[in-house]
Amino acid sequence: LAKITQPISMDSYEGQEVNITCSHNNIATNDYITWYQQFPSQGPRFIIQGYKTKVTNEVASLFIPADRKSSTLSLPRVSLSDTAVYYCLVGEGNAGNMLTFGGGTRLMVKP
Amino acid sequence: GAVVSQHPSWVICKSGTSVKIECRSLDFQATTMFWYRQFPKQSLMLMATSNEGSKATYEQGVEKDKFLINHASLTLSTLTVTSAHPEDSSFYICSAPPARDSLRAKNIQYFGAGTRLSVL
Repeated sequence: LAKITQPISMDSYEGQEVNITCSHNNIATNDYITWYQQFPSQGPRFIIQGYKTKVTNEVASLFIPADRKSSTLSLPRVSLSDTAVYYCLVGEGNAGNMLTFGGGTRLMVKP
Repeated sequence: GAVVSQHPSWVICKSGTSVKIECRSLDFQATTMFWYRQFPKQSLMLMATSNEGSKATYEQGVEKDKFLINHASLTLSTLTVTSAHPEDSSFYICSAPPARDSLRAKNIQYFGAGTRLSVL
């Protein structure tokens, strides 16, 4: 399993762009990088997934450099409702495999 | 999109009683579901893998006789906490990989809303 490191917590203000970087130095060739968001007392929710370069959807962007040893989740213009824990997961894209969660990054968005 | 429904969302019980938590995939079939436990301010810890038609696979340190898992159909897995004690109080979450090939192939999973168990 890839060892994952991400900041324990981050603070931001409404309207700012937030970038959360995840380190995964020993990522394997077949591994995808996936981000989940979890609000208090709710189950995690899939945000975005990528393998290399840049991926963008209606919620976020994911930047992955060529060496794939890190990735950055970018949340544009955050609002108070983006306050949550964000988990970076790295794993092989095999159907039905278990997900291993690290500590996550607790994002606090302030007014 | 795929939805995983978990019930109940919150349960309070007396010590020594058993509690059943249901996890349903509402618009897709799931031969595999996963059960996690999450303590306050901590990450999700995988407890067991629920397999339709066969025995569940438990993670090291999880008592299979205390946390009974039944995956009787392709849309339902249940977790029963037997003889619950205060230390079992936690947030229990299930997940399932969807059937749609494009998502399943990348192991994107859908999670239930979780069940908060409080044992008095």
